[in-house]
Amino acid sequence: SQQGEEDPQALSIQEGENATMNCSYKTSINNLQWYRQNSGRGLVHLILIRSNEREKHSGRLRVTLDTSKKSSSLLITASRAADTASYFCATALRGSEKLVFGKGMKLTVNP
Amino acid sequence: DGGITQSPKYLFRKEGQNVTLSCEQNLNHDAMYWYRQDPGQGLRLIYYSQIVNDFQKGDIAEGYSVSREKKESFPLTVTSAQKNPTAFYLCASSINRRDGYTFGSGTRLTVV
Repeated sequence: SQQGEEDPQALSIQEGENATMNCSYKTSINNLQWYRQNSGRGLVHLILIRSNEREKHSGRLRVTLDTSKKSSSLLITASRAADTASYFCATALRGSEKLVFGKGMKLTVNP
Repeated sequence: DGGITQSPKYLFRKEGQNVTLSCEQNLNHDAMYWYRQDPGQGLRLIYYSQIVNDFQKGDIAEGYSVSREKKESFPLTVTSAQKNPTAFYLCASSINRRDGYTFGSGTRLTVV
């Protein structure tokens, strides 16, 4: 199975609500990153959290990392219709040159 | 504006034909990457390069080839040996692997 797996695979919410996405991984990491992809477009880097960090904020985004549980969560507060996209977590593995992406999860924000 | 440009946006390939996807960046990034995206499978790494004149195979390199003659450019050739090339191809670059990646807008390749 994938190094990083997002959960849920799909989420549909109303505008103004908060959206929480989770990512679990299997091996030790240097950092974990979250990306957004609008349909048919490239990925956009949202936020990076290093293995020695527990929480990070960027605008309406809040990311947490629990290395003991090998999991991360991305919270989008006060969601907007423009947040509708697929979201991917990616892990930079220790001792590897690769960034490994999960399969992504689809967020739909209804106006 | 600094960025990463992929061309063409859409590409059609006939059976047995080689095609080359272009990726150019003006971000002065050392590292560049090629990913393939299929529905429901996320991104899979094809090749990556950390420095000019050097590149490494990723997880699904068979049927693909790359070159890195210039820092700015990392073209991907999809050869006739790639039996199922229809996919969305994404190029990315980064200062190094421990930083976030900048992605191009992708090339959608279809076999006709």
